[in-house]
Amino acid sequence: DVKVTQSSRYLVKRTGEKVFLECVQDMDHENMFWYRQDPGLGLRLIYFSYDVKMKEKGDIPEGYSVSREKKERFSLILESASTNQTSMYLCASSFREGRETQYFGPGTRLLVL
Amino acid sequence: AQSVTQPDIHITVSEGASLELRCNYSYGATPYLFWYVQSPGQGLQLLLKYFSGDTLVQGIKGFEAEFKRSQSSFNLRKPSVHWSDAAEYFCAVGANDYKLSFGAGTTVTVRA
Repeated sequence: DVKVTQSSRYLVKRTGEKVFLECVQDMDHENMFWYRQDPGLGLRLIYFSYDVKMKEKGDIPEGYSVSREKKERFSLILESASTNQTSMYLCASSFREGRETQYFGPGTRLLVL
Repeated sequence: AQSVTQPDIHITVSEGASLELRCNYSYGATPYLFWYVQSPGQGLQLLLKYFSGDTLVQGIKGFEAEFKRSQSSFNLRKPSVHWSDAAEYFCAVGANDYKLSFGAGTTVTVRA
C-alpha cells in the first residue's frame, strides 16, 4: 500500500513564527504536492515538485516556500505565519504521468493565533 | 486551464437509498477525471478515475461514475447508500501536466 505521512496532525503556532510541515512518501513517486483545504473552496494547490530540488508554483504560493532535498520528502515552509494561513494542509504524491492517481496524507490542521 | 464545478454543497440521503453526486468540468481536450472521498479527519482516498475507454467506470465501495463528453459531466452514483458513506466527496480534473483542479466538494449526510 502507498503510504504518505505528514509530520503532525495538529499544530498551533503564533503569528510571525516560522512553520515547517513535512511530508514523506514511500512509493518512489516523482511528483509531490502541497494543497490547502478550506471549507467551500475545495483543495487549492500551493506548490508541487516533479523531481528532487525542482519545484513549481501552484495557484496560491504567496506566503509559502517548499524544499525537496530527497525524493521521498517534501517540506512546506511558512516563513512568517499569519492568521489567514490557518487551514488544513494536505500533502500528496504520484508517479509522473498526468493520469496517475495522487495519494494523500492524513493532513495537518494548522491554527495560527 | 481546467476547472470543476460541484453544484451541490450538501446532500442528505436515507440509508439504502440511491445517491448521485454531480460534477461538471471545463477543459478543451479529453480530461483525466477523478472522484475522491474524505472521511472526517482523514486524507483523501481515490474512489475511481477515468482517462480513456469505457465511459462507465467502476470504483471501490460500490461506486460508479459516467463520463459524458457532450455534457462535460462526470457524475458519481451508488445504488444503495450505507451509513459509512457519510463523507465529503471531491471531483477533480487533470491534464497532461499532472496538476489536478478540485471542485469545492459535496458533503453527504446519511440518515437512518
